[in-house]
Amino acid sequence: SYVLTQPPSVSVAPGQTAGITCGGNNIGYKRVHWFQQKSGLAPVLVVHDDSDRPSGIPERFSGSNSGNTATLTITRVEAGDEADYYCQVWDSSSDHVVFGGGTKLTVL
Amino acid sequence: EVQLVQSGAEVKKPGESLKISCKGSGYSFSTSWIGWVRQMSGKGLEWMGIIYPADSDLRYSRSIQGQVTISADKSISTAYLQWSSLKASDTAIYYCVRQETTLSFIDVWGQGTPVTVSS
Repeated sequence: SYVLTQPPSVSVAPGQTAGITCGGNNIGYKRVHWFQQKSGLAPVLVVHDDSDRPSGIPERFSGSNSGNTATLTITRVEAGDEADYYCQVWDSSSDHVVFGGGTKLTVL
Repeated sequence: EVQLVQSGAEVKKPGESLKISCKGSGYSFSTSWIGWVRQMSGKGLEWMGIIYPADSDLRYSRSIQGQVTISADKSISTAYLQWSSLKASDTAIYYCVRQETTLSFIDVWGQGTPVTVSS
């Protein structure tokens, strides 16, 4: 089955840029979606289809996808961005939704 | 407003049965996929399966298949997740989610239903 690999944690100082990676075999051929989950709440979509933002999501959130790695980039990081972030794809070969293991973003 | 509203928290004993629900509103319930996602305490998101209410087309995660049953009643815009015999390892928060197609992103999440299984 298809596997998505994320770093368990990323730390960044306020105002800096955070990059969260999501690795998968030829993931560049898939549509990658990213979710933010704050403590005790349901996840929220922050980027879909590699690089599109839903309405209401700040422009500081962006995504890219190529080769074997997709990346969620958060610029000008704020304390309120501290959360767990998950990447997700649909694996057509198995007809399954696949989530990455999640990355905890800590704002120092 | 598109919404998924889930049934409330449950506390059950091992071996008991359970059926939790997810009611959709604000969109055509029959023609969007509804999925279920499990999150154990302190752990990541785990996809369980998905159903297309219009014809009950189903996909299950290989790791979950046989352990739960996903169903939907399009007449009342409600999807269900059920267990015939709960185990302590079923303790988790369960989210229902909506996707317009299997390839599209999850655009709506329910608020989550906490399930605790303990003797």
